[in-house]
Amino acid sequence: QSALTQPPSESGAPGQSVTISCTGTSSDVGGYNYVSWYQQHPGKAPKLMIYEVTKRPSGVPDRFSGSKSGNTASLTVSGLQAEDEADYYCSSYAGAQLTVFGGGTKLTVL
Amino acid sequence: QVQLVESGGGVVQPGRSLRLSCAASGFTLSGFGMHWVRQAPDKGLEWVASISYDGSNKYYADSVKGRFTISGDNSKNTLYLQLDGLSAEDTAIYYCARGVGTLVRGVSVSSDVWGQGTTVTVS
Repeated sequence: QSALTQPPSESGAPGQSVTISCTGTSSDVGGYNYVSWYQQHPGKAPKLMIYEVTKRPSGVPDRFSGSKSGNTASLTVSGLQAEDEADYYCSSYAGAQLTVFGGGTKLTVL
Repeated sequence: QVQLVESGGGVVQPGRSLRLSCAASGFTLSGFGMHWVRQAPDKGLEWVASISYDGSNKYYADSVKGRFTISGDNSKNTLYLQLDGLSAEDTAIYYCARGVGTLVRGVSVSSDVWGQGTTVTVS
């Protein structure tokens, strides 16, 4: 199972919005509503930001939102803040292999 | 509070074995599907293995199938990952994580609680 495709980097100024894409196939992202997004700061464990495409765990700011169209899922971060600078990973249910991750996107707050 | 603490990592020679442990506190392991995810140095996350909430189903990435074994001990509230036939490509931080959300084949594929990770170096 190939990894999901994410852009290596994205950036935005404080207060702006940034969208990170995650492209898979009909066998993973496009076939199921089980896309998750994780935030990872250097040296730290990943943190769940979005699950099942659009659901936000308790404690995650509503500045983070998820969506999906066809084989591509997206994470949008609105009102960028300095602490949002981190690596972001998408993942999806992938049938036989259960879960596949994206390669990760480094988000820089300018 | 809800917490996962991994242990058992270390430096091991190629071809040797290691057993990782993940002690859960603040919740009962048997009520949740659980995962192992690894991250090679300066690389992205890679799903390794999962076990269903009742332990009846186990799933493995192709890269570790036949070499790694996931299991759980409800009496100790601890998750394990047995690593056999290790190679340099298995060098990584290994995280255990708790599943959250809709069950799919007995496992919730998203993870809301993560341990701090334990490092495995094969050299």
